[in-house]
Amino acid sequence: QKEVEQDPGPLSVPEGAIVSLNCTYSNSAFQYFMWYRQYSRKGPELLMYTYSSGNKEDGRFTAQVDKSSKYISLFIRDSQPSDSATYLCAMSAQGGSEKLVFGKGTKLTVNP
Amino acid sequence: DTEVTQTPKHLVMGMTNKKSLKCEQHMGHRAMYWYKQKAKKPPELMFVYSYEKLSINESVPSRFSPECPNSSLLNLHLHALQPEDSALYLCASSREGTGRTDTQYFGPGTRLTVL
Repeated sequence: QKEVEQDPGPLSVPEGAIVSLNCTYSNSAFQYFMWYRQYSRKGPELLMYTYSSGNKEDGRFTAQVDKSSKYISLFIRDSQPSDSATYLCAMSAQGGSEKLVFGKGTKLTVNP
Repeated sequence: DTEVTQTPKHLVMGMTNKKSLKCEQHMGHRAMYWYKQKAKKPPELMFVYSYEKLSINESVPSRFSPECPNSSLLNLHLHALQPEDSALYLCASSREGTGRTDTQYFGPGTRLTVL
């Protein structure tokens, strides 16, 4: 079993849809959870950063962490064509210079 | 400001060339990283510098040689690369120390092609 599992998609939705992206993990030591957005041929851009369990909202984006189920989610409301990108989940046990463990990334296309 | 800059944006080199990739951040971060990313794959960690000292080397071949001249700069020296080393090379940085932890901020990457 891989440490982090993420469905690579691709996922295609119409503009305005609510998008749900998910990752599961096996290492119960993970405490820091991140979502990165990566446009084609660009570096990953940090979207959301969450410590431990709970929800975090930033504009149209909501990150949820359920440590009891070892499951994290990213919700995108009112999705836009500009949200079309690959979304990578990442996590670590200590944060800082601790090694990040990435999911494979989910490729999302939002169609106008 | 959460900006990490990388130069050059693109690099094409032959297998006998020597070249260097550069990375810079002015956020006061004390940890810096090199990653390699192949198409449709997540980034793979290569090296970590913490307080300008190499703290992690993920068994990277010696044809890749990292250097951290100061807390703001990170270089990756390349020599005798193979075509399979062609990839997007990403630099990242994170805050470290003072009891706080933080996540990693990535630069835009250098797209390397080895002929």
